[in-house]
Amino acid sequence: KQEVTQIPAALSVPEGENLVLNCSFTDSAIYNLQWFRQDPGKGLTSLLLIQSSQREQTSGRLNASLDKSSGRSTLYIAASQPGDSATYLCAVSFYGDNLFFGTGTRLTVIP
Amino acid sequence: DAGVIQSPRHEVTEMGQEVTLRCKPISGHDYLFWYRQTMMRGLELLIYFNNNVPIDDSGMPEDRFSAKMPNASFSTLKIQPSEPRDSAVYFCASSFEDKNTEAFFGQGTRLTVV
Repeated sequence: KQEVTQIPAALSVPEGENLVLNCSFTDSAIYNLQWFRQDPGKGLTSLLLIQSSQREQTSGRLNASLDKSSGRSTLYIAASQPGDSATYLCAVSFYGDNLFFGTGTRLTVIP
Repeated sequence: DAGVIQSPRHEVTEMGQEVTLRCKPISGHDYLFWYRQTMMRGLELLIYFNNNVPIDDSGMPEDRFSAKMPNASFSTLKIQPSEPRDSAVYFCASSFEDKNTEAFFGQGTRLTVV
């Protein structure tokens, strides 16, 4: 059974700190992995998409890595800002169509 | 493109009533997904379509749930009769046929069944 796990469930950091969010998955045969951001009462915004053949993707202050052999991905956020406060979701496409989601990490950046 | 559009944004209904959620995917996208999000279970896939054809509906919780995609630009998720435990946020998402592209999500419909 494919499962996606995110640790920690919640994280609180002071503004300006660099942080790492973790995602692990049970099956290394993945098509891609996507990181989303969800603000309260809002939909999901795609942050980064990593193909199975890639090891990392970068967008601004965000960097996502993928290690298929160990079934892990990390989302690195540099110089965190209060506006980064949200829930971050990791989603894995195992078969190339539907996504399996982790339960998310709720991030709070304290000014 | 305006993105994936869902309506209504909020729905409050009484137990036993029929509820219809609507979704307009991004033009040109071949896949359409319906997800449900609850505090207890997180995001769960209910059903998805490829080129308007339902591919996998194993996530649909009960026969009370049904989904249709009459054309490439419109899909509905219907609950009849609704129950309080159906209260959740329902998301629609779409993506291209190419399996290595992003999924784009709508803003969701928050359903409350009282």
